[in-house]
Amino acid sequence: EDKVVQSPLSLVVHEGDTVTLNCSYEVTNFRSLLWYKQEKKAPTFLFMLTSSGIEKKSGRLSSILDKKELFSILNITATQTGDSAVYLCAGEYGNKLVFGAGTILRVKS
Amino acid sequence: DGGITQSPKYLFRKEGQNVTLSCEQNLNHDAMYWYRQDPGQGLRLIYYSQIVNDFQKGDIAEGYSVSREKKESFPLTVTSAQKNPTAFYLCASSSPGHRYEQYFGPGTRLTVT
Repeated sequence: EDKVVQSPLSLVVHEGDTVTLNCSYEVTNFRSLLWYKQEKKAPTFLFMLTSSGIEKKSGRLSSILDKKELFSILNITATQTGDSAVYLCAGEYGNKLVFGAGTILRVKS
Repeated sequence: DGGITQSPKYLFRKEGQNVTLSCEQNLNHDAMYWYRQDPGQGLRLIYYSQIVNDFQKGDIAEGYSVSREKKESFPLTVTSAQKNPTAFYLCASSSPGHRYEQYFGPGTRLTVT
């Protein structure tokens, strides 16, 4: 059965801290891994990773994929209260996504 | 502005009633998806459609039905056969040119009592 597991389930940090969110996957016919940020309603796309070892960056966020060990991490540096959200990762196979349960991040001021 | 709209935002129904959730997109995306989100369980795929007049069951299709008569629209009907319909429902769409990067609507929270 395809599955994606995220850890930790929730995390509380202070502004300015750096956080690392983890995502491991077991997805048959895996094609890519995606990260989304969900603040209130609709998840918004962050990254799509297809190649191992190549870091993708967007401002204070970065992510990398390890296809040998079947995991990905999402790093957020210098966290701000606006980073508070649920972070979802998903494995793509065929034309579908399988999502993890998400990591709830709360950044305290 | 292009995007995905879902209506209504909140929906309340009595047990035993069918209810239809609306999803419309003007992104010219070929593929559309319906997910259900429950606390602590992430998103689970209900149905998806790659092209008009065609759709496939996802992981939890029992008790749900869909139609795809137009490219822009992918309504989801929650039938009385769905044993636990209270949930947050998200619609998404994607274009094959963007390798299944899915864009999500704002969601509909359905409460069945």
